[in-house]
Amino acid sequence: NAGVMQNPRHLVRRRGQEARLRCSPMKGHSHVYWYRQLPEEGLKFMVYLQKENIIDESGMPKERFSAEFPKEGPSILRIQQVVRGDSAAYFCASSPFSGLASEQYFGPGTRLTVT
Amino acid sequence: QKEVEQNSGPLSVPEGAIASLNCTYSDRVSQSFFWYRQYSGKSPELIMSIYSNGDKEDGRFTAQLNKASQYVSLLIRDSQPSDSATYLCAVSASQGNLIFGKGTKLSVKP
Repeated sequence: NAGVMQNPRHLVRRRGQEARLRCSPMKGHSHVYWYRQLPEEGLKFMVYLQKENIIDESGMPKERFSAEFPKEGPSILRIQQVVRGDSAAYFCASSPFSGLASEQYFGPGTRLTVT
Repeated sequence: QKEVEQNSGPLSVPEGAIASLNCTYSDRVSQSFFWYRQYSGKSPELIMSIYSNGDKEDGRFTAQLNKASQYVSLLIRDSQPSDSATYLCAVSASQGNLIFGKGTKLSVKP
């Protein structure tokens, strides 16, 4: 499978638990973007990472949310102490290079439900 | 606050007709524009990218860009029921992340 991979596809957490969402970019892509889509809302940018670097985290809530893209392994979006408002679809996208012209390809998403 | 605006629809067209989807953006210096298709419950799928003024055609799809008017459109010729989806307009921001409109829901009636 040469596409962007995300897991898990569905995740249920109780309020106060931690959620870990994983994203493996397309082969040859080293740029990863995370977006969140709330029900009936548009896609909102959260964070942009390259290997071992956070390039832009301007869209990420200051508390409880963190992201990393280690030298080896997938990118991880971590949400601590989840609340009901975190229930959403979280999408990861990857691109082969940086810059304004770079096309982004999306993974299937992780649907997070907080009960 | 950079914004991308789209009519939410639904836009309903008969099978075989041309569907016209429109998008305006607020940041005059934006340079890269994208159209994504999203079926219900699925992830966005890239359809077209356009970077310079004018038309760009790919099969049944034509993207049109007018930077002076800050306007992007997507035309779908010979619309099929399988084209029924939400179409998202996206604009590149300064670091390369995308700013999305809320999408236009298209319904193609057989």
